[in-house]
Amino acid sequence: GAGVSQSPRYKVAKRGQDVALRCDPISGHVSLFWYQQALGQGPEFLTYFQNEAQLDKSGLPSDRFFAERPEGSVSTLKIQRTQQEDSAVYLCASSLTGFNQPQHFGDGTRLSIL
Amino acid sequence: GQNIDQPTEMTATEGAIVQINCTYQTSGFNGLFWYQQHAGEAPTFLSYNVLDGLEEKGRFSSFLSRSKGYSYLLLKELQMKDSASYLCAASSNDYKLSFGAGTTVTVRA
Repeated sequence: GAGVSQSPRYKVAKRGQDVALRCDPISGHVSLFWYQQALGQGPEFLTYFQNEAQLDKSGLPSDRFFAERPEGSVSTLKIQRTQQEDSAVYLCASSLTGFNQPQHFGDGTRLSIL
Repeated sequence: GQNIDQPTEMTATEGAIVQINCTYQTSGFNGLFWYQQHAGEAPTFLSYNVLDGLEEKGRFSSFLSRSKGYSYLLLKELQMKDSASYLCAASSNDYKLSFGAGTTVTVRA
């Protein structure tokens, strides 16, 4: 596709439910990133993939958060046993190689936990 | 750790110039990115500085001083569509972006 595509655009879940957020990066982009953006704040780094390898997951807030990119293209961010503080916009970005290159962002998934 | 500071809000008149300052303290610093983000939309890439000095790209220019840990984004000939949040982001370890909280720029007619 022309840009980074994320789905769903909006997700509402009850506390305790599991959610899965999908990211389709720009075709051919090796690097993929997930960020969490709270209202009025800048994006916070969660995790980084180069192809299918997850090279950095230092930003994941807890072991309830899990990300995968099994074939080096589409990625899924999964949050288990959601809590109210997980409410945020989750942004996905991709770049051609990742090394000091611009990251191209999707529109994000707005997650609301009731 | 990373510390990125930028003003919360700025207001300017259509046709004017606005300068958004950003200071950073980043270990393993590689370079400095600027992104624009309209409400509810994706951040979009504006500029990247790796060397000291000024980079000009149309109405937008960005400056970096590595020794001072300082950058600015200069927006010239402001248009109403420039009303948005502007995010300063320091790159480290060749791939990791640490963002500031963003500066909301409001352009008035």
